[in-house]
Amino acid sequence: AQTVTQSQPEMSVQEAETVTLSCTYDTSENNYYLFWYKQPPSRQMILVIRQEAYKQQNATENRFSVNFQKAAKSFSLKISDSQLGDTAMYFCACPRAGGTSYGKLTFGQGTILTVHP
Amino acid sequence: GAVVSQHPSRVICKSGTSVKIECRSLDFQATTMFWYRQFPKQSLMLMATSNEGSKATYEQGVEKDKFLINHASLTLSTLTVTSAHPEDSSFYICSATDRAWNSPLHFGNGTRLTVT
Repeated sequence: AQTVTQSQPEMSVQEAETVTLSCTYDTSENNYYLFWYKQPPSRQMILVIRQEAYKQQNATENRFSVNFQKAAKSFSLKISDSQLGDTAMYFCACPRAGGTSYGKLTFGQGTILTVHP
Repeated sequence: GAVVSQHPSRVICKSGTSVKIECRSLDFQATTMFWYRQFPKQSLMLMATSNEGSKATYEQGVEKDKFLINHASLTLSTLTVTSAHPEDSSFYICSATDRAWNSPLHFGNGTRLTVT
C-alpha cells in the first residue's frame, strides 16, 4: 500500500522568507510522479509542482522548488520569498497506481501554512 | 487549460433526502473521473473511481448503495448521496484527467454538503 506522510500539521513564516514543507512516501513503484497541491481557503485544489521520479533534477516552478530524494523517499517543498497568498493547506500526493496514472492519488495529511505580514 | 466544473458548490438538505452532485469536464473528455471526500482540516480520501460506460469502482469502506455514481458521458459524472444523514455532511470534490501523457489531475471546486 502507498502511504504519504506529512509530519508538520502547521507551519508559519514571515512574508518574504523561505519555508520548507516535508513529505515522505512509500511506494513499490519504480516510475511514478509526485505532486504538491495547494488548497487555499476557497478549497480549490491547485497543482503547485510535480516531480517525475526517474528525473534526478529537482523540479522548480518560479518560487516553488522541491528536494526529491528517491532513495530516502522524501519529497519536500521549498517556498521562497513567501507571499500572503501562499497561505493555504498544502498536500503532498503520490499516485496509487504509479507510473503515469494520475487519478488515484494518495494524499498526505496536509500542512497548514500561514504567511504573516 | 483543462477545467472541471462541479455543481452545486453548496447544498443543504434534510435527513433522509437524496442529493445529486455533478462533475463536468468542460474542454476535454474524461473517461475516468474520481470522487474524493474531505472533512474539515483533513486530507482528501478517495471514495470511488467513475468509469464512463461502466460501473464505478468503490474504495474499501465506501457504501456503493449510499453513494451512487453515474458516468453516462465522456464529460459528466454524477454522485448521488442517497438517504442522506448528518454524518454524510462533508466536502466532496471531483477530479478528472484528460489522459494525455504528462497531464495532471484537475479538480472541481468542490461541494459542501450539509445534512440537517
